[in-house]
Amino acid sequence: AQSVTQLGSHVSVSEGALVLLRCNYSSSVPPYLFWYVQYPNQGLQLLLKYTTGATLVKGINGFEAEFKKSETSFHLTKPSAHMSDAAEYFCAVSDLRKGGKLIFGQGTELSVKP
Amino acid sequence: DAGVIQSPRHEVTEMGQEVTLRCKPISGHDYLFWYRQTMMRGLELLIYFNNNVPIDDSGMPEDRFSAKMPNASFSTLKIQPSEPRDSAVYFCASSKLAGGVTNTGELFFGEGSRLTVL
Repeated sequence: AQSVTQLGSHVSVSEGALVLLRCNYSSSVPPYLFWYVQYPNQGLQLLLKYTTGATLVKGINGFEAEFKKSETSFHLTKPSAHMSDAAEYFCAVSDLRKGGKLIFGQGTELSVKP
Repeated sequence: DAGVIQSPRHEVTEMGQEVTLRCKPISGHDYLFWYRQTMMRGLELLIYFNNNVPIDDSGMPEDRFSAKMPNASFSTLKIQPSEPRDSAVYFCASSKLAGGVTNTGELFFGEGSRLTVL
């Protein structure tokens, strides 16, 4: 079975500081990994995804994530936080052999202080 | 292009009433998913369909919940009778997994239906 663990339900950073949101996964097959963002009262929007190939993937809004198989991690980073980055972030894992259903982590709420 | 469309956006009902949530997936997508989001349990997959056929309904909490997909452009999630613990945001999502170069499992989500059962 696949699972995702997001370390830290709340993360607070200052504007301009580094953002680091942690995600570890468990999968018996090569995983497809995703980060989604959810703004208040909205649905989830894809930030970035890792499928195969380059392990450092870049997404929208300046975010990127690195797939590290040895550490079973897929942490999300952004060099400089902006106030508009305040939202909830979800890491997810998928096994396409089972129809591509996503298993989500519990989410991390990011706050950005001025 | 229109995204995934859900209705109603907000529903307030009394315990014991029937609730029907509706979803129109993105045209051409062949997978449809229903998720439920609560503070306590996060995002839970309830059921998903492939080409209108239910594939996995193991996440459906109990017999009070049912979902249908009569055609490729419409799905419903029904709760009968509703209970206060069903209060949550229900998301519909769709994806296209046709085996081509875009076979990456990306889900496109609707805006959600916020259900409050009093």
